[in-house]
Amino acid sequence: EAGVAQSPRYKIIEKRQSVAFWCNPISGHATLYWYQQILGQGPKLLIQFQNNGVVDDSQLPKDRFSAERLKGVDSTLKIQPAKLEDSAVYLCASSLRGEKLFFGSGTQLSVL
Amino acid sequence: SQQGEEDPQALSIQEGENATMNCSYKTSINNLQWYRQNSGRGLVHLILIRSNEREKHSGRLRVTLDTSKKSSSLLITASRAADTASYFCATVSSNAGNNRKLIWGLGTSLAVNP
Repeated sequence: EAGVAQSPRYKIIEKRQSVAFWCNPISGHATLYWYQQILGQGPKLLIQFQNNGVVDDSQLPKDRFSAERLKGVDSTLKIQPAKLEDSAVYLCASSLRGEKLFFGSGTQLSVL
Repeated sequence: SQQGEEDPQALSIQEGENATMNCSYKTSINNLQWYRQNSGRGLVHLILIRSNEREKHSGRLRVTLDTSKKSSSLLITASRAADTASYFCATVSSNAGNNRKLIWGLGTSLAVNP
């Protein structure tokens, strides 16, 4: 089966610019997650979708981050404007029953 | 928020040796999962152990769970250079309800030297 697809793989931007990440989960997976992983740390959940509804966005910096899940399938995560501390790997994951997560390869963001 | 704490933070062994990593957590759990992350890649699910299980095997992996001590261990037997990666434990709280939010540890970095 096809895995979780993410793009782009790498992104370099200057602070105050905007950036968007895209994720296509495994077909049929109702739950989609966006994580932020800073070097040397574990993943931090930014937002969790169940179909196209938000289940948990308690750690999403809503003044600059936004996310949507189009028709309950693909998802985009946007940062506007970016700050230096947003430099991290952004991971998308999906799950069929909310237990075992399947991750994409991630987008490595560098904010200069 | 981080609940799991892996121990040690870093581990370096020779190929063929066994590697043991530990994870401690704070609240009652529904299940505990172990994931592997190769450098620059996404995480890969290794094994899930439920709160009513004490031990689980998958190939060269052995996971134990001690709910009285709120701890788990991951043993990799006969390690290979390809096992070099970071290993994370993640827990689902028994109070999570339908959310089933995973709480992640900081990970153990394993280096297997040829």
